[in-house]
Amino acid sequence: AQSVAQPEDQVNVAEGNPLTVKCTYSVSGNPYLFWYVQYPNRGLQFLLKYITGDNLVKGSYGFEAEFNKSQTSFHLKKPSALVSDSALYFCAVRDRGSTLGRLYFGRGTQLTVWP
Amino acid sequence: EAQVTQNPRYLITVTGKKLTVTCSQNMNHEYMSWYRQDPGLGLRQIYYSMNVEVTDKGDVPEGYKVSRKEKRNFPLILESPSPNQTSLYFCASSLSGGPDRPSGNTIYFGEGSWLTVV
Repeated sequence: AQSVAQPEDQVNVAEGNPLTVKCTYSVSGNPYLFWYVQYPNRGLQFLLKYITGDNLVKGSYGFEAEFNKSQTSFHLKKPSALVSDSALYFCAVRDRGSTLGRLYFGRGTQLTVWP
Repeated sequence: EAQVTQNPRYLITVTGKKLTVTCSQNMNHEYMSWYRQDPGLGLRQIYYSMNVEVTDKGDVPEGYKVSRKEKRNFPLILESPSPNQTSLYFCASSLSGGPDRPSGNTIYFGEGSWLTVV
């Protein structure tokens, strides 16, 4: 069965420091991988996705993520965190061969960046 | 502007009183879906639709109904709401990647509907 794990409920970093939000997945075959961000009282906003090609994917707001097939991971990174990056981050996976259209989400990681 | 629109955004209702949460998208997307978000559980899929008149159950369909009579609309119906359906609900849509097969297309989400059942 497809599943997504975000091992950290919370990540706290100081502004200007690099940040990493971890994600591992379990799917049959090769997946499509996504990161979404949710600001308070808002819907989910798309950050980036891995479809194929270069394992390092660049997305919105200076975020990037690295697909690691051997470790089945897709960690979200940013070289220098901003206070405005504080939000809830979701990793999601879609089975490449799925006819069911399902996007499986992790439980979310609350990122707090303090000044 | 491309968007997914949900209504109402906030609703407090009583147990057993039927309600409908509407969802509309203006991107001509074939695929639409409903999720609920609960603390510590992430987002769980309720129902999805691959196209007009094609719907199927997600992971947590109990207590919900949907319909897809038009491509742009995908309402979520709670025939007899109960307190355990108190949640934040999201509608989402995306292109379908081929003959009724989803692909890596990005899924777009509405702003969410806060539903409280007392």
